[in-house]
Order: sequence, then C-alpha cells, then structure tokens
Amino acid sequence: KAGVTQTPRYLIKTRGQQVTLSCSPISGHRSVSWYQQTPGQGLQFLFEYFSETQRNKGNFPGRFSGRQFSNSRSEMNVSTLELGDSALYLCASSPGGTAMNTEAFFGQGTRLTVV
Amino acid sequence: GDSVTQMEGPVTLSEEAFLTINCTYTATGYPSLFWYVQYPGEGLQLLLKATKADDKGSNKGFEATYRKETTSFHLEKGSVQVSDSAVYFCASKGEGGKLIFGQGTELSVKP
Repeated sequence: KAGVTQTPRYLIKTRGQQVTLSCSPISGHRSVSWYQQTPGQGLQFLFEYFSETQRNKGNFPGRFSGRQFSNSRSEMNVSTLELGDSALYLCASSPGGTAMNTEAFFGQGTRLTVV
Repeated sequence: GDSVTQMEGPVTLSEEAFLTINCTYTATGYPSLFWYVQYPGEGLQLLLKATKADDKGSNKGFEATYRKETTSFHLEKGSVQVSDSAVYFCASKGEGGKLIFGQGTELSVKP
C-alpha cells in the first residue's frame, strides 16, 4: 500500500508570492491534516479535512488555506508569503472518523523556503 | 489548552546505553498518546501508541506506559543503537482529533 505522498519535496519562493502544496493520502483514508514544522515553534497544527470539509483549524492567519477533493487528495495554499513561512509542511492521513486512538501517517513533507 | 512537554535535548548516548526520554501532558479529558520518530530529511513515523491508562505501547525495543496518575508517557529503550539516532516527538490526541506535539528530543548515539 502506497504511503502518503507530498509534492513537491522542495520549493523556493519569493516574499509576496503564493504557493500550493499537494498531498495524496493513503488509499482509503478520508482525513488529511496539515502541520507546519519550524525550529522555533516546533510542530503546529494547521487544519484537517474530512470528506472535503474542513473539520478542524489551528491558529494560523487566513493566508493559510486548504481544500480536499472527492478523491481525498488535499492541497494547501499560502498567499502573500512571508519569510517566517519558511518551514517543513507535513501532511498526515488517517482513516477518518473522530476516534482519538486512530493513528496518523505522515508524508515526507514539503520544504518551503521563502527568500 | 492541551499541551505536551518533553525533556530538552540533545541527548547523547553510547551504543547499548539505556534511554529514557521524559514526556508529560496536560489534557481536559483522556487523550491517546503517541511517540513519533523523525530521521533527517524525513517525515514522522509512528513509533508506538497507547490509548488508555496503564496501556503499554512497544515497538522495535522501545516502550512507553500511559500513566494517568502522573500524566506521563516516558519513552524507554534498554539498549540503543547508532541507527536510533533521530528526533523523537511525544504527542497527544484528544477529542477533535488533532495531534499536539512536544518540542522534540534529538537523540545522538555514538559507537
């Protein structure tokens, strides 16, 4: 079974630009979550999508948005990039539902550098 | 709000030494608890989990016990190897489903 696939692996963007990151979850998984990882703030939850609906949202500005398609693939968009948006963005998939004991499977991440 | 606190790193050990990485959590309910490991340049891999009090999760020689009375989930391994060098994250998952991570502990094992 293929794992979680994130594309691209690396991105370099200029301040003020926008960027779109993609995540393909494990087949059959309906929940996709996004996390930002930085040396200073660690791993922070961005949002979660389930069956094309945002089910949960972290404390990030509105420049960060996402969506999920009918095949469960998800995209994350960051508009008006700032230097502080440089981070590793991780996508995680899980079967779905709200059970606390279901584990999340992570992709390898997209390394975004804003210059 | 819910939070997870891990011991500061980096931790440097010799091969075959005993490992403990402390993790404590605060939560309004009874979350599930996880340990994830991150190798350089990679995403997170689930190492082990425990879903209720007194559960012991174990995998690849690592183990951790869910202690409700001390709100802890310490990671242990009896004999570490060079290949265990990585960053380890403790995480909790409560109602609502989002993972809350500790700050990570970098482990370096020397031959």
